[in-house]
Amino acid sequence: DAKTTQPNSMESNEEEPVHLPCNHSTISGTDYIHWYRQLPSQGPEYVIHGLTSNVNNRMASLAIAEDRKSSTLILHRATLRDAAVYYCTPRGSGGSNYKLTFGKGTLLTVNP
Amino acid sequence: DAGVIQSPRHEVTEMGQEVTLRCKPISGHNSLFWYRQTMMRGLELLIYFNNNVPIDDSGMPEDRFSAKMPNASFSTLKIQPSEPRDSAVYFCASSLKGNTEAFFGQGTRLTVV
Repeated sequence: DAKTTQPNSMESNEEEPVHLPCNHSTISGTDYIHWYRQLPSQGPEYVIHGLTSNVNNRMASLAIAEDRKSSTLILHRATLRDAAVYYCTPRGSGGSNYKLTFGKGTLLTVNP
Repeated sequence: DAGVIQSPRHEVTEMGQEVTLRCKPISGHNSLFWYRQTMMRGLELLIYFNNNVPIDDSGMPEDRFSAKMPNASFSTLKIQPSEPRDSAVYFCASSLKGNTEAFFGQGTRLTVV
């Protein structure tokens, strides 16, 4: 399984942008990069995923390095509700290899 | 759809007892995952199924744990006998096959005393 490295914690102020980095240097060429977050006392929830190109959705943007060894989740304007643990994880594709595993993630604190 | 439904939400049992956790995935989803979360070990993948078939059970901690998926709409995770170190929050998740988003249930908080 590809290993990911994320900072243990990050802090942001409300309404400011947040850039959450992730290193996944051992990612295979066909693995997608998935991001999930887990709010306190809840199950993880999907945020965004991508393969090579940068991706945008209503929650966030995902910037993927050209060599795919790293990616950055961008929250354009952090709110208090964005305080959560954020996980990046490569997810296999092809055949039956779609398992989804999680590392320790980054605990994001948002200050009012 | 009501999302992934897990039951019970909370379970307290005595050491040595059998515990069965239940999961109803989102209708039409092909993949189902069971996870265990503790402060010490984080979110661990226990087992995952594709089309009701177990694909990878390498995360199942020991023979006391077993998981079944008798049909596309139901899965169980059983612990027999339970031990205090099994206390954790257990999550079930489902997704369409392929690189799509996974949806998680609210979890079952298991306490073994």
